[in-house]
Amino acid sequence: QSVLTQPPSVSGAPGQRVTISCTGSSSNIGAGYVVHWYQQLPGTAPKLLIYGNNNRPSGVPDRFSGSKSGTSASLAITGLQAEDEADYYCQSYDSSVSVSYVFGTGTKVTVL
Amino acid sequence: QVQLVESGGGVVQPGRSLGLSCAASGFTFSSCTMHWVRQAPGKGLEWVALVSFDGSNKYYADSVKGRFTISRENSKNTLYLRMNSLRAEDTAVYYCACISKTATSPFDYWGQGTLVTVSS
Repeated sequence: QSVLTQPPSVSGAPGQRVTISCTGSSSNIGAGYVVHWYQQLPGTAPKLLIYGNNNRPSGVPDRFSGSKSGTSASLAITGLQAEDEADYYCQSYDSSVSVSYVFGTGTKVTVL
Repeated sequence: QVQLVESGGGVVQPGRSLGLSCAASGFTFSSCTMHWVRQAPGKGLEWVALVSFDGSNKYYADSVKGRFTISRENSKNTLYLRMNSLRAEDTAVYYCACISKTATSPFDYWGQGTLVTVSS
């Protein structure tokens, strides 16, 4: 089944801006399906970070923002903080089979 | 508050079966499409299966189709996953998760996960 491609890792100093790309295909992101982002701290379950391409759930700092264009999406973290060190996953719906949900390969964000 | 609590994980030999449960509280369980998502050690997230709000529709990832069965009991606010013919590659933390709106909405709530290890 399809998978969304992310860079394995990104890093930045405190206060910097980092971006994470998420590349899909014509059966998922390119088909117009929305993209969601999750943050997973070590040893914990994923937590919803961005939904519907660019919306933040209540309680998520506005340092986190999302965007989508064509078959790709991006997550940006501005003003990077130590507590942002985590794994990040994009997720979308895929229509290549009857029902399928696809996740990105995951990106480890390291705060230098 | 919202809680999803998985149980039933453990060590099982290849070819054997295991059942997982997910107890929900703090939200309207019967309004959620419920899913199982797994994460192999050190790996990414993989969607496994879903069951519709009323249990009438079920869908599976190709990797588990024919071996796993998802079900729910709304009267008990509980989700289940029956796993048969287990393989080493099924070793993972299994999370239950809820999508409360449309099919393309995000996974709103997640459990803490239960570890399944398939090994002889």
